[in-house]
Amino acid sequence: GNSVTQMEGPVTLSEEAFLTINCTYTATGYPSLFWYVQYPGEGLQLLLKATKADDKGSNKGFEATYRKETTSFHLEKGSVQVSDSAVYFCALSDNAGNMLTFGGGTRLMVKP
Amino acid sequence: DAGVTQSPTHLIKTRGQQVTLRCSPKSGHDTVSWYQQALGQGPQFIFQYYEEEERQRGNFPDRFSGHQFPNYSSELNVNALLLGDSALYLCASSIGQLNTEAFFGQGTRLTVV
Repeated sequence: GNSVTQMEGPVTLSEEAFLTINCTYTATGYPSLFWYVQYPGEGLQLLLKATKADDKGSNKGFEATYRKETTSFHLEKGSVQVSDSAVYFCALSDNAGNMLTFGGGTRLMVKP
Repeated sequence: DAGVTQSPTHLIKTRGQQVTLRCSPKSGHDTVSWYQQALGQGPQFIFQYYEEEERQRGNFPDRFSGHQFPNYSSELNVNALLLGDSALYLCASSIGQLNTEAFFGQGTRLTVV
């Protein structure tokens, strides 16, 4: 079955540091890939997505590239802010788009 | 435009009881999915409803059941509650059968004591 593995946290960075959160996946066919963010006490918000190999999703300074050869979708940001502190989830959807399979989440803490 | 709304926000139930959680999808959305998020973990897919029918189901026992109404709102029912059912239950809505963006509600925090 499908699965998503992402680096365990917490990841603690200083403001303006470079961020990488690793995500790898196992899936049949050609899934779509997503990054969701969850702020304290809230539901999930879609951060970015990519629907086919070599696509780059980007939003709010975050980027991730769909790498089929390495089955990866690593999240990056050049300069993090305190407001980026949250839990980040990597996810994939099956070909029919019926269900999302999530990784375990990575907590990011950014200190001023 | 109201997003996905869930009720109640918090709930405490006793082991063995039954619970019903409710979800109203985002305006224009006709597909509703339910997820269970245990503390410190990623959400796990329970099932999805489209055109008032369960379209796909995750690895959850029959104690978990659902319903979708003609106005696309949905309910999640859990019977014979176990302590392990304590979790955040998330509802997500989307459009049709295509792989479109899913919008999540803030969730219902269920505590079983």
